[in-house]
Amino acid sequence: QKEVEQNSGPLSVPEGAIASLNCTYSDRGSQSFFWYRQYSGKSPELIMFIYSNGDKEDGRFTAQLNKASQYVSLLIRDSQPSDSATYLCAVKAGEGTALIFGKGTTLSVSS
Amino acid sequence: DAGVIQSPRHEVTEMGQEVTLRCKPISGHDYLFWYRQTMMRGLELLIYFNNNVPIDDSGMPEDRFSAKMPNASFSTLKIQPSEPRDSAVYFCASSPGTRETQYFGPGTRLLVL
Repeated sequence: QKEVEQNSGPLSVPEGAIASLNCTYSDRGSQSFFWYRQYSGKSPELIMFIYSNGDKEDGRFTAQLNKASQYVSLLIRDSQPSDSATYLCAVKAGEGTALIFGKGTTLSVSS
Repeated sequence: DAGVIQSPRHEVTEMGQEVTLRCKPISGHDYLFWYRQTMMRGLELLIYFNNNVPIDDSGMPEDRFSAKMPNASFSTLKIQPSEPRDSAVYFCASSPGTRETQYFGPGTRLLVL
């Protein structure tokens, strides 16, 4: 059973702080890693994807991947109240496979 | 592009009734996915298609669920008969390729009484 684990939260941070969201996965063959954001009552939307070990930055967001530890994280710098949402980690094993989602971490940014 | 289109957006039905959910993927996307989301189980993959052919339906909970994709621009997910435990948000998503991200539709909120 391929699994993706996330702390459900809520993770509460003050406005302007760094929010750190973590995810572990069980399938060592996983090749692609995605972070989705889902506002309450809305559909998931892609924030970032990462394929290689290391860091990938996009604006205030940084994805970090460590395949040896089977760990992927998302850092949100200068957190804003508009970042308050559920963040879903998703993992794909390879060509032609589907995404496996974690249950998500709820982030709350207070002003 | 209009994005992934799903209908209906909300459905309330009684136990035992047939429910049909519809999805139009983004034009040119070869992959189509059906997901179900509940608080308890999170986002679960039910089935996905590649070029209209079902590739993996291992997530379909039981024989009451069926999905079809008669052409590249339309897919249905049918539940017959429906049960209260089927109440959830059902998402359709499409993707242009195997390494590409998936784009989600707005979802159908299903309530089975």
